[in-house]
Amino acid sequence: DIVLTQSPQVLAVSLGGRATINCTSSQTVFYNSNNKDYLAWFQQRPGQPPKLLIHWASLRESGVPDRFRGSGSATHFTLTINDLRAEDVAVYYCQQYIEIPCNFGQGTKLEI
Amino acid sequence: QVQLVQSGAEVKKPGASVKVSCKGVEYDISTYEINWLRQAAGQGPEWMGWMNPKSGATGYARNFHDRLTLTRDISMNTAYMELGSLKSDDTAVYFCAIRGLSAPFSWGQGTPVTVSA
Repeated sequence: DIVLTQSPQVLAVSLGGRATINCTSSQTVFYNSNNKDYLAWFQQRPGQPPKLLIHWASLRESGVPDRFRGSGSATHFTLTINDLRAEDVAVYYCQQYIEIPCNFGQGTKLEI
Repeated sequence: QVQLVQSGAEVKKPGASVKVSCKGVEYDISTYEINWLRQAAGQGPEWMGWMNPKSGATGYARNFHDRLTLTRDISMNTAYMELGSLKSDDTAVYFCAIRGLSAPFSWGQGTPVTVSA
């Protein structure tokens, strides 16, 4: 099974600042046939289901502000959140969907 | 707007089974693959399995292979997840989510399942 490791586990950033969350995969999630990375980022606020922010490693889901940016390829990925706002306080997860089980990282808790 | 509505909270004894429903609202469940996931308190989501509602094809994570059954009733526009031989560490919130070509993009509200003697 593919294992995703996120760092840091907890991140404290000031309002208006920048948050950088890393996700490392034990195997590549890049598929040569279509030139895509099968990696997504989710935001989860307390008491709510996860919300898809980014898929294909860097494509923002409809309605997601451009303050959220996904980057990386193959085994190393980054979620960057610029101009941090109070509403961004949440736990962020990466997920691979290139093979089953479609595992998640253990999460990064973002605090202000 | 695509929406999934799940059944309510369940309390079960060890060894019992639980069946959770997931109803499509404002969309036909045959349109997209349905994933089932769970999340224990303080933990990340755990992927359990998938179903193609149109064909009925399923795939299960190895951890659940012998205890998990995914089904659907097209006439009711509803998918079901049944987990058997429950143990205390099956206590979690269970989610259905729909997936197109990439990651799950719409999730149900979650169904808390508590397993306790």
